[in-house]
Amino acid sequence: NAGVTQTPKFRILKIGQSMTLQCTQDMNHNYMYWYRQDPGMGLKLIYYSVGAGITDKGEVPNGYNVSRSTTEDFPLRLELAAPSQTSVYFCASSYWDSNYGYTFGSGTRLTVV
Amino acid sequence: AQSVTQLDSQVPVFEEAPVELRCNYSSSVSVYLFWYVQYPNQGLQLLLKYLSGSTLVKSINGFEAEFNKSQTSFHLRKPSVHISDTAEYFCAVSLNSGYSTLTFGKGTMLLVSP
Repeated sequence: NAGVTQTPKFRILKIGQSMTLQCTQDMNHNYMYWYRQDPGMGLKLIYYSVGAGITDKGEVPNGYNVSRSTTEDFPLRLELAAPSQTSVYFCASSYWDSNYGYTFGSGTRLTVV
Repeated sequence: AQSVTQLDSQVPVFEEAPVELRCNYSSSVSVYLFWYVQYPNQGLQLLLKYLSGSTLVKSINGFEAEFNKSQTSFHLRKPSVHISDTAEYFCAVSLNSGYSTLTFGKGTMLLVSP
């Protein structure tokens, strides 16, 4: 049982490049989330999904896009990378809503130079 | 909208000493409250949660937190810490109304030294 798997673990991007952060869960969870973590700032919600085909914006969605074509996968797309997107990105999932607790992946550390 | 305030960014403590990590929340409706722990280079893990019932909730590794509605607080305590408790601790809140995502505080780094 792998839980939530994120790839890659580390990535360096140049300004203006694009990339997709992958997230897969094998727990048949309905809800999935993307957060970014910056030092001293806690976690900020980027996007979330309550099921396949349904996504919604969180607190800081600008510069990102998501899709949810299957229950298992929830990729995060950066189209035009900017230095402000340097951060650690966490994907999480939950069976239903937050009361069941979130299961987090181990994170992707992204640096934009 | 709900918000969470963790008053201390860092708490240094000696091994076997007691510790309290403070958390206050703001919300116009009833809330659910959580503490998550993040060990170095790892994702967050659920430590304990308050949904309803007894206001004192406990984790399997000796931490406890008490929901205080009048003071809008959910402080985390442990009577005797270990070196292995060194980690960052995040308080989080969600609304007790419809669907709500988690809103996290900025985190408190617990540094346990021998």
